[in-house]
Amino acid sequence: QQPVQSPQAVILREGEDAVINCSSSKALYSVHWYRQKHGEAPVFLMILLKGGEQKGHEKISASFNEKKQQSSLYLTASQLSYSGTYFCGTDEAGGGADGLTFGKGTHLIIQP
Amino acid sequence: DAGVTQSPTHLIKTRGQHVTLRCSPISGHKSVSWYQQVLGQGPQFIFQYYEKEERGRGNFPDRFSARQFPNYSSELNVNALLLGDSALYLCASSPHGGYGNEQFFGPGTRLTVL
Repeated sequence: QQPVQSPQAVILREGEDAVINCSSSKALYSVHWYRQKHGEAPVFLMILLKGGEQKGHEKISASFNEKKQQSSLYLTASQLSYSGTYFCGTDEAGGGADGLTFGKGTHLIIQP
Repeated sequence: DAGVTQSPTHLIKTRGQHVTLRCSPISGHKSVSWYQQVLGQGPQFIFQYYEKEERGRGNFPDRFSARQFPNYSSELNVNALLLGDSALYLCASSPHGGYGNEQFFGPGTRLTVL
C-alpha cells in the first residue's frame, strides 16, 4: 500500500527549514528518501531501518517512528539546490521481494 | 566510480511494438531493480533481480519481462506496447538483495509510445 506523504508542496525562502512526512499503514522494515529534480533520476538521500540504523548524507537528517510507521525528513537552512520533489519509499518485508513502494512525492521550491 | 548506466536515453515506439531497455549496475553491485515512473507519480516497482534470479515482481502484466546476465547487467523487455506504457523506466542497483541497502538509480530511459 502506497505511503502517504505530506505536505504535497512547500515553498520556502532560502535559509528556512522544512519537514516532510511519510506515513504507512503497514509495518515497515525500512524507509528510503530520495530527491528528484525535473527530468532527472531520483538521488538517494537516506535509509532508516527498523531498529534504529540510518545510512545517508551527512547534511540530511531524518527520523523513523517504528510504532507509528512514520518517517520525517528534516531540511534545515535550505539552499536553492534543495528544490525538487522528495519521495519516500517503503519496504515492508525486508527481503526485496516486493520492491520499494513510493509515495506521490512532496514538491519543494526554494526561493532566493 | 561510474554510476548506474542505462540505454537508450530516449525511445519512441508505436503501439504493438516490442522494446528492450538495458541497465548496467554500479561495479560490485549484484542486485538490479526496475521501476516505471509516469509523469507526476513516484516510481512503481516492476522487477528485482539478484544473482541472476528474479527475486520479486510488481503488479505488471506478463508483457513485461526481464533478465540479469552473468556480469549483473540487466534487460527489461516490454511486448505489445500500449500507449499507457509511456513513462520513464528507471533501473536501480544495490550491493545485494534486500532493502537494508541503498538503491542507486540510473538516469532512466524515457519511452514514448505513439
